[in-house]
Amino acid sequence: EAQVTQNPRYLITVTGKKLTVTCSQNMNHEYMSWYRQDPGLGLRQIYYSMNVEVTDKGDVPEGYKVSRKEKRNFPLILESPSPNQTSLYFCASSLSLVGGQETQYFGPGTRLLVL
Amino acid sequence: GNSVTQMEGPVTLSEEAFLTINCTYTATGYPSLFWYVQYPGEGLQLLLKATKADDKGSNKGFEATYRKETTSFHLEKGSVQVSDSAVYFCALSENSGYALNFGKGTSLLVTP
Repeated sequence: EAQVTQNPRYLITVTGKKLTVTCSQNMNHEYMSWYRQDPGLGLRQIYYSMNVEVTDKGDVPEGYKVSRKEKRNFPLILESPSPNQTSLYFCASSLSLVGGQETQYFGPGTRLLVL
Repeated sequence: GNSVTQMEGPVTLSEEAFLTINCTYTATGYPSLFWYVQYPGEGLQLLLKATKADDKGSNKGFEATYRKETTSFHLEKGSVQVSDSAVYFCALSENSGYALNFGKGTSLLVTP
């Protein structure tokens, strides 16, 4: 089954404790992206990757890191989480984003609470 | 910059009612337009899309027409079902396309 998986689905942590949220897709997609969803703000892009070893900042990259060492995986790293990073996070992938017409496939989401 | 504005929710309708969710956009070029739906506890999934002016996207009884003259992409369904209860997001992507710009989402509740 074609899918985007994220782990963990739920995470409670404390300020300053490094964490990683994993994202994996099995569709051989080139493009992957991370979004955060906050009430009243919709979804905002954090980082994206056009292909292996190619990443770039989205609209709200502060406090986050990413890497793309393999095509299927795109982990999101919070080196020193803070309470304002409490949010619902979605990973997404698409075949490419050239031309902007591609459908993005979303993971189920990771709900993060930073105390 | 690009932006998407959609009507505030929540929207509550009775089963079999007609649905319209308004969406307007601002873009510098000629974007593709999308409606994504998020069912409770799930990620977003594509509902329909249109890639050029006057295109109509349709799926599962939902329709939206890309209106360049009014910069709009309103979502409609003639007869909603309880199973349509979800949050609906309008989004656009420029043809240079590195990101989707999302609206804030409209929550729809359909009651029996």
